[in-house]
Amino acid sequence: SSELTQDPAVSVALGQTVRITCQGDTLRSYYASWYQQKPGQAPTLVLYNTNYRPSGIPDRFSGSRSGTTASLTITGAQAEDEADYYCNSRDFYNNQLVFGGGTKVTVL
Amino acid sequence: EVQLVESGGGSAQPGRSLRLSCTASGFTFDDYAMYWVRQVPGKGLEWVSGISWNSDSAGYADSVKGRFTISRDNAKKSLYLQMDSLRSEDTAVYYCAKETRGYNYGLNGMDVWGQGTTVTVSS
Repeated sequence: SSELTQDPAVSVALGQTVRITCQGDTLRSYYASWYQQKPGQAPTLVLYNTNYRPSGIPDRFSGSRSGTTASLTITGAQAEDEADYYCNSRDFYNNQLVFGGGTKVTVL
Repeated sequence: EVQLVESGGGSAQPGRSLRLSCTASGFTFDDYAMYWVRQVPGKGLEWVSGISWNSDSAGYADSVKGRFTISRDNAKKSLYLQMDSLRSEDTAVYYCAKETRGYNYGLNGMDVWGQGTTVTVSS
């Protein structure tokens, strides 16, 4: 099975911009989705098909892809954006899916 | 309201079995692929298994292949995970989740999640 690699942690000053990356060979063929998870809660989808936002997700969340790397950008980070973020995509093999290891975002 | 509710978690000894259920409401269940995702407390998300809207195809993580079986009953709007030969490393919170777009598998993310059910495997 394939892997998706994320940086373990990033920090951002309140109101500034932060980019989270997700790297994996499958991203050359399949779209990335991104999830936000706060302590004690189930994950919430924030982006899918690289850059589509579900209803209710603020437009400060955006996404992009270049080669085998997908990115989630938070423009003007808010205190409530402090959370763990996971990327996810389909794998090449046997109808498998894969998650990245997660990135903890701290808003200073 | 679109909702997923998991049940069936609990404690089991290594080598025993458990069956998880997930009941859906608020959407046309048989139009969407469904998934099981687990999380060890304090750790990351791990995809466990998925099944297409019509049960024609299914997939399993390498860590559970041959031990877990996913199934669905569209008439009952329910998803299941039969977990056999349980191991201590299967201890986790298990979430069921819905594919974002109908008639797709693994392509568009998971837009609805349950609150999870806890499985503890210990002697």
